[in-house]
Amino acid sequence: DIQLTQSPSFVSASVGDSVTVTCRASQGISNHLAWYQKKPGQAPKLLIYAASTLQSGVPSRFSGSGSGTEFTLTISSLQPEDFATYYCQQLNGYPLTFGGGTKVEIK
Amino acid sequence: EVQLVESGGGLVKPGGSLRLSCEASGFAFSSYTMDWVRQAPGKGLEWVSSIGGSGTSMFYADSVKGRFSISRDNAKSSLYLQMNSLRAEDTAVYYCARDLPFSGTDYWGQGTLVSVSS
Repeated sequence: DIQLTQSPSFVSASVGDSVTVTCRASQGISNHLAWYQKKPGQAPKLLIYAASTLQSGVPSRFSGSGSGTEFTLTISSLQPEDFATYYCQQLNGYPLTFGGGTKVEIK
Repeated sequence: EVQLVESGGGLVKPGGSLRLSCEASGFAFSSYTMDWVRQAPGKGLEWVSSIGGSGTSMFYADSVKGRFSISRDNAKSSLYLQMNSLRAEDTAVYYCARDLPFSGTDYWGQGTLVSVSS
């Protein structure tokens, strides 16, 4: 099974800051990676797919990059509504797996 | 408008069974792989199971293999998850989601809570 390791697991940041989250895969997964935002009491929201393609309707301050085993999600200029937990997911093969999550909290 | 509405969650004793349903609308249901994903209290997201559009290909997480069974009825645009031999660690909010091959899940239901406790 492909393991995904996200770092950091927690980040404290202020409105306007830039935040970068890293997701490392235990084996190469090409660009078959997605990023999600999860807020308490809400369903996950797809932000980025194919490692770097922004989902329709997602603000351009979100960006993704990477291929193979290392991927990043960057949120430039954090907004109040961006404080949430972020997950990566590999879609290269079954079983599909999620990273452990990165919680972005207000400093 | 794409909508996914889960139902069937509730409180069940360890060893018991429950069947979750997900009613889909607003898209060509039979053309899409569908997933179940869960989140236990205070934990991260966990993929549970996927089923291909025709209903002939099913995949499961090791944690539920042999206990859970995914199925679909394309005529009713409905997805199901039969959960048997439930354990305390199966307690979670279960989400139904539409899968795009290699591209993630773009639509999610609101989730249904399953609690396994004596």
